[in-house]
Amino acid sequence: QKEVEQNSGPLSVPEGAIASLNCTYSDRGSQSFFWYRQYSGKSPELIMSIYSNGDKEDGRFTAQLNKASQYVSLLIRDSQPSDSATYLCAVNHIQGAQKLVFGQGTRLTINP
Amino acid sequence: DTEVTQTPKHLVMGMTNKKSLKCEQHMGHRAMYWYKQKAKKPPELMFVYSYEKLSINESVPSRFSPECPNSSLLNLHLHALQPEDSALYLCASSQRVEGDKLFFGSGTQLSVL
Repeated sequence: QKEVEQNSGPLSVPEGAIASLNCTYSDRGSQSFFWYRQYSGKSPELIMSIYSNGDKEDGRFTAQLNKASQYVSLLIRDSQPSDSATYLCAVNHIQGAQKLVFGQGTRLTINP
Repeated sequence: DTEVTQTPKHLVMGMTNKKSLKCEQHMGHRAMYWYKQKAKKPPELMFVYSYEKLSINESVPSRFSPECPNSSLLNLHLHALQPEDSALYLCASSQRVEGDKLFFGSGTQLSVL
């Protein structure tokens, strides 16, 4: 089982719709969860962090965390073409040396 | 705007060249990192420098050599690279080293000919 798993996509969503990105992780002790957005040829940009079960909203973005199910998701409301990017889920892995583990990323395309 | 500054943004080098990548962070963070990222892959950790201690991913070949002149600067020296080392090299920093959120620089796109 991979430490952090994401569907690689591509995920296509019409403009104005809700984009839903999912991530599962293997380390039950993980406490910190992050979503990064990465445009082609650019560096990852932190867009959301979440540490407690439940939802966290920031503008059009909502992160959802369920530690019992070892699942974290990112919702993007009112999707815009500028949201087209690869979204990386990152989880702090405490087994062994603590480190941030990245998923493979989900490529999202918003269709006008 | 990122507060992690990387130079150069692009670099083309031959296999016999020696070059250096430079990174500076202005956030007072205690940890700095070098990542390598190939196309359509996630970032892969190469080195971590924190609390004056360097941690090395043992799979990284010795032709990559990190140097940390002080807590806000981190360099990556490159020597005798191979074409397969062509990638996006990312510097990042974090407040703590224990799986804390990372702030990335803009990256250096490296091509080895």
